[in-house]
Amino acid sequence: GENVEQHPSTLSVQEGDSAVIKCTYSDSASNYFPWYKQELGKRPQLIIDIRSNVGEKKDQRIAVTLNKTAKHFSLHITETQPEDSAVYFCAASKTGGSYIPTFGRGTSLIVHP
Amino acid sequence: GAVVSQHPSRVICKSGTSVKIECRSLDFQATTMFWYRQFPKQSLMLMATSNEGSKATYEQGVEKDKFLINHASLTLSTLTVTSAHPEDSSFYICSAGGSLAGGTGDTQYFGPGTRLTVL
Repeated sequence: GENVEQHPSTLSVQEGDSAVIKCTYSDSASNYFPWYKQELGKRPQLIIDIRSNVGEKKDQRIAVTLNKTAKHFSLHITETQPEDSAVYFCAASKTGGSYIPTFGRGTSLIVHP
Repeated sequence: GAVVSQHPSRVICKSGTSVKIECRSLDFQATTMFWYRQFPKQSLMLMATSNEGSKATYEQGVEKDKFLINHASLTLSTLTVTSAHPEDSSFYICSAGGSLAGGTGDTQYFGPGTRLTVL
């Protein structure tokens, strides 16, 4: 089955700095890679996703890059703000049919004002 | 995005009792829903895949007789924790997705979660 590794487990940055979270996956057939943000005690919420037919996707301060050959993808947050503090999860899955995403272990991002 | 509700949000029960958690897709039909368990500061652990009109598919290590899942309609799935014990205390989250949810066919939308505490 799929195995997703996520690093780092904890990331502490100063407000305004950039933050990068990296994930690797094992199944070359995986073609959908979402990122979720989970605030304490709340539900995970999709913040951005990318499919295997593109290498990069941006949405304001958030971007995701995908390297299919190396089987890794990364989340980039620029100009971080205290409200970006949360746990971020990456996931990998196959599209179509009964997909079951595999989640990374999560990264606790702390943005210091 | 799609809306998934979950009820109750928080429940405290005595050891040995059963607890039912409901997961509803409010504005779309979900043929498949997923149930996760999450321990503090840990990732989402998939427990089972709930299929409308058929038996749930449980992940390895998850006791199907302890965690009963029923997906009676396209908008409702229930998880019943039977004979709950303190070690069952956790955060339980459901999710649903698909193109009918307004997503791209693969996006999952999560419920708000249920905090279960077994005394």
